[in-house]
Amino acid sequence: DAGVIQSPRHEVTEMGQEVTLRCKPISGHNSLFWYRQTMMRGLELLIYFNNNVPIDDSGMPEDRFSAKMPNASFSTLKIQPSEPRDSAVYFCASSPAWKTQYFGPGTRLLVL
Amino acid sequence: AQSVTQLDSHVSVSEGTPVLLRCNYSSSYSPSLFWYVQHPNKGLQLLLKYTSAATLVKGINGFEAEFKKSETSFHLTKPSAHMSDAAEYFCVVSDRNNNDMRFGAGTRLTVKP
Repeated sequence: DAGVIQSPRHEVTEMGQEVTLRCKPISGHNSLFWYRQTMMRGLELLIYFNNNVPIDDSGMPEDRFSAKMPNASFSTLKIQPSEPRDSAVYFCASSPAWKTQYFGPGTRLLVL
Repeated sequence: AQSVTQLDSHVSVSEGTPVLLRCNYSSSYSPSLFWYVQHPNKGLQLLLKYTSAATLVKGINGFEAEFKKSETSFHLTKPSAHMSDAAEYFCVVSDRNNNDMRFGAGTRLTVKP
């Protein structure tokens, strides 16, 4: 299995631009998680899905952030408009029901 | 509510000496506990996990951790450090469904030759 796949691996954009991060979970996993990692705040859970349905989005920092999971093999995290303080590494993780989470390699986002 | 505290932000050891990374947790029910490792510019990799079976858990790369309920601790150890062990280590506590995961702040392990 290829593991959790995230794209792009690196993204540099200007303030105000829309950013879309993509995630392909491990086949057969029915839970998907988005995390953000910063030096100041460490690892934070943003949102997670079970069977493509958002379960808990209380970690999403503000309305500029949105996440979708249109099918079992794909999810997006969108930031519109982006701001410099959104610069971070964004991780996607997936798991079978109530089992261990497996993380992707992350997307390193820099907003100038 | 649950939380986890990693007691050391940075640990430095010499190659071949033991490693101890400390973690204390707080949970209102029987938790699941994990250690993840993150090498520079890499994603998070699972080292080991505790899910209410044996209290001494063995993981990859020679690491192990012991769940001590009386001390609410889940310290990570390795008898002999290798240069390739240099990385950031995260202790994680989770609810029974492994959905509500709370990460510690991380401990950076440096291994000196």
